[in-house]
Amino acid sequence: AQSVTQLGSHVSVSEGALVLLRCNYSSSVPPYLFWYVQYPNQGLQLLLKYTSAATLVKGINGFEAEFKKSETSFHLTKPSAHMSDAAEYFCAVTGNAGGTSYGKLTFGQGTILTVHP
Amino acid sequence: DAGVIQSPRHEVTEMGQEVTLRCKPISGHDYLFWYRQTMMRGLELLIYFNNNVPIDDSGMPEDRFSAKMPNASFSTLKIQPSEPRDSAVYFCASSPTGAVGYTFGSGTRLTVV
Repeated sequence: AQSVTQLGSHVSVSEGALVLLRCNYSSSVPPYLFWYVQYPNQGLQLLLKYTSAATLVKGINGFEAEFKKSETSFHLTKPSAHMSDAAEYFCAVTGNAGGTSYGKLTFGQGTILTVHP
Repeated sequence: DAGVIQSPRHEVTEMGQEVTLRCKPISGHDYLFWYRQTMMRGLELLIYFNNNVPIDDSGMPEDRFSAKMPNASFSTLKIQPSEPRDSAVYFCASSPTGAVGYTFGSGTRLTVV
């Protein structure tokens, strides 16, 4: 079984400040991990994914995340926030290829990011 | 590529009526997923298909919900009879075999009054 916990349902930063969105996972098998972004009234868009290659993953729009097995974490960061980053962000986990949970994503509850001018 | 196409974008219906939500996955994608999003419960996986075959429907809330995938390019999620607590945004997503991470549709916002 797999689960994801996103710490903080709301995060507020100033434009130009560091963005840090926290995600911890639980998985009985080696995981694949994802971050998605959802803008108002839209579907979810894949930001980046970890699939057991490099532990530091770079995604779109300047975001990156680091897989830390010892901490069971996959936090999302961006050095400098932009107003257009305001959205809801979801962390998700699935089992790796070959496992019975492969392909079935379990999502966290989401973190709403607000960016102040 | 037009992406995952869902219809309708918005649906308002009266309690007790039948509702059918539609999804066209990306051509060549072997997996299709139906999710429901609410404020209280977040994103919940309802059912998913592989090569048009339902693999896991354990998330379907009750017998009022049913899903079909008659061919590789079309899926429906039906609620009969609908209830106010079914009000939510329903997302369809698809993925090719061997790749991980889905492509989501824009969703159908269902309101049952």
